[in-house]
Parts: sequence; structure tokens; C-alpha cells
Amino acid sequence: DIHLAQSPSFLSASVGDRVTLTCRASQDISNFLVWYQQKPGKAPKLLIYAASTLQSGVPSRFSGSGSGTDFTLTISSLQPEDFATYYCQQFDTYSWTFGQGTKVEI
Amino acid sequence: QVELVQSGAEMKKPGASVKVSCKAAGYNFSAYDIDWVRQTSGQGLEWMGWMSPQSGKTGYAQKFKGRVTMTRDRATNTAYLDLSSLTSEDTALYFCARGGVVERCRGGTCKYYNWFDPWGQGTLVTVSS
Repeated sequence: DIHLAQSPSFLSASVGDRVTLTCRASQDISNFLVWYQQKPGKAPKLLIYAASTLQSGVPSRFSGSGSGTDFTLTISSLQPEDFATYYCQQFDTYSWTFGQGTKVEI
Repeated sequence: QVELVQSGAEMKKPGASVKVSCKAAGYNFSAYDIDWVRQTSGQGLEWMGWMSPQSGKTGYAQKFKGRVTMTRDRATNTAYLDLSSLTSEDTALYFCARGGVVERCRGGTCKYYNWFDPWGQGTLVTVSS
């Protein structure tokens, strides 16, 4: 099974900061990577798929990049509503796995 | 709007089974897969399997094979997750999600990118004696 390792596990930041979250795959997954945002008590929300394609309705301050084994999610200017946990996800041979998440907190 | 609405919280004893429902609205139920994902504090997000509402075809994560069954009722646009032989380790928040796919072709080669959107609100299943 392909393992996804996210770093850092926790990130302390302020409104207006530029933040970068990392997701590393245990083997080459091309660009088959998805990012979600989850707020406490809520379901995950799709942000980005195919590593860099922004889902419709997601603010342009979110961006994704990477290919192969190393991927990043960048928030260009952190807003109050962005404090949440972010997960990466990959699809491999009819099986999905998730990273353990990065919690972005004040 | 597109939404998935799940059934309410369940409390079960070890060894019992649980059935969680997921009712789809706002889109063609048969056109997208339904996936099930659970969330625990220990394991994080864990994919359990998928089902095609069109065909009823399913695919389960190895960990759950033999214990999980995913079904649907096309008349009511509802998907179901059945999990048997429950233990305390099955205590989790269970989500259904609509599984979508985008095709991108370049130079005669096509790739298929999957995603989950939207997700249901989650169903808490607690297993305790």
C-alpha cells in the first residue's frame, strides 16, 4: 500500500500568513493527489484534485503543486476561516489512502 | 443543491452489526459512485470501499472484506453501509461521499482523476458493552 506522510502535523500561523503544507508519497503517484479541508464537527471539503486543479468555488488563495512523490498545498494569505485540518489523499489500484493531516491553528 | 444526508448516530454492542444510510439529492444518483470513509482518532481517515449505484458493483478495502457490504436502493436514491462483527475499534464517524472522476487526455493518452465531493454529514457509530 502507498503511504502518505504529511508535514508538519501542526502549524501555528496568523491571519495573512503564507503557509505551505507538504504531503509525501511512499512511491511515485504521478499527480493522482487530492487535498481536503476539514473543520471540527464537519465533513471534509474538496479543495484540489489532480494535484493542482482547484475545485469550483474554492478561493484562489489555495493552490496545489507537485508530481511523483512530493506535493504541496499553499495558502497565499491565511484567512480566519482557513483554520482547519488539511488532508491529502491518493488513489492506487482501486484503493484510496489518506495522509494523517496537518492542523493549521492560530 | 447536491447533498448526501446520512442516518443518525448508532450505539451497538460488540459482535453486533450496524447499517448506515446515505440519501443522495440534487444529482443523478446512478451517475456517480458512492464511497465510504470512516474517521477515528487513532487511524485518521480510512477508506472502506466503493459502490456503483448504476450496477451495484462494489470494491472493498482489504481490511474490511468479509465484514462490509455496500448496497443501494435506486428507487429512493439511497446507499447503505453494513458492517458486521463490530468491536470497540469500529467506534468511528462514518462518512459517505460522492465519488467523481475527470478525464484528461493528452497526446492520445488519457488519465482519470478521482475525487470525493460532497460528503455526507457523518454518522457516529459507538461500539460498547
